[in-house]
Amino acid sequence: NAGVTQTPKFRVLKTGQSMTLLCAQDMNHEYMYWYRQDPGMGLRLIHYSVGEGTTAKGEVPDGYNVSRLKKQNFLLGLESAAPSQTSVYFCASSSSGGYGYTFGSGTRLTVV
Amino acid sequence: AQSVTQLGSHVSVSEGALVLLRCNYSSSVPPYLFWYVQYPNQGLQLLLKYTSAATLVKGINGFEAEFKKSETSFHLTKPSAHMSDAAEYFCAVSVPGSSYKLIFGSGTRLLVRP
Repeated sequence: NAGVTQTPKFRVLKTGQSMTLLCAQDMNHEYMYWYRQDPGMGLRLIHYSVGEGTTAKGEVPDGYNVSRLKKQNFLLGLESAAPSQTSVYFCASSSSGGYGYTFGSGTRLTVV
Repeated sequence: AQSVTQLGSHVSVSEGALVLLRCNYSSSVPPYLFWYVQYPNQGLQLLLKYTSAATLVKGINGFEAEFKKSETSFHLTKPSAHMSDAAEYFCAVSVPGSSYKLIFGSGTRLLVRP
């Protein structure tokens, strides 16, 4: 019973490099979300998906792209990493809003 | 647009004392409200939720919260703090029909003194 799994857990990138963060859920949830967490700012929504093949922008989408080709996976891409993207990234999934989210354990990304 | 304000970025209490973490929200329609807890280097865990049923909601680990529409508040309380309650707590709001996006407050770090 894995829930929401994020890979990798840690990563250090150089400015300008690209990478993809993977989120996988095994609960057959329709909704999936990517957030970033920065000190004193809570969690801010980057992108989200309401079902397979759909994506939408959240509060802070610039510099990120996403894809949801399969229902269970939600990928977050950084095409050209910047130091401002140093953060902890959380993926979450939900079957409906009334039940809240199930969160992954996070990916700590440092861009130098 | 929805928003959440958590009063106090840090709250310090003695072990055994009352815990009160404040949350006020803004929403043009009846919201869903949540409290999450985050222990160091971990993800977020759901403590409790309000989804338009009983206004007093009981959650895990002895926490509870009361939805007060007139005050647009959803404060989190626990009668007696335990050392293991030390963590960061996030209040969040979601509006039905908004793709269930959760809008988070900035968080309150709870310190429990021996």
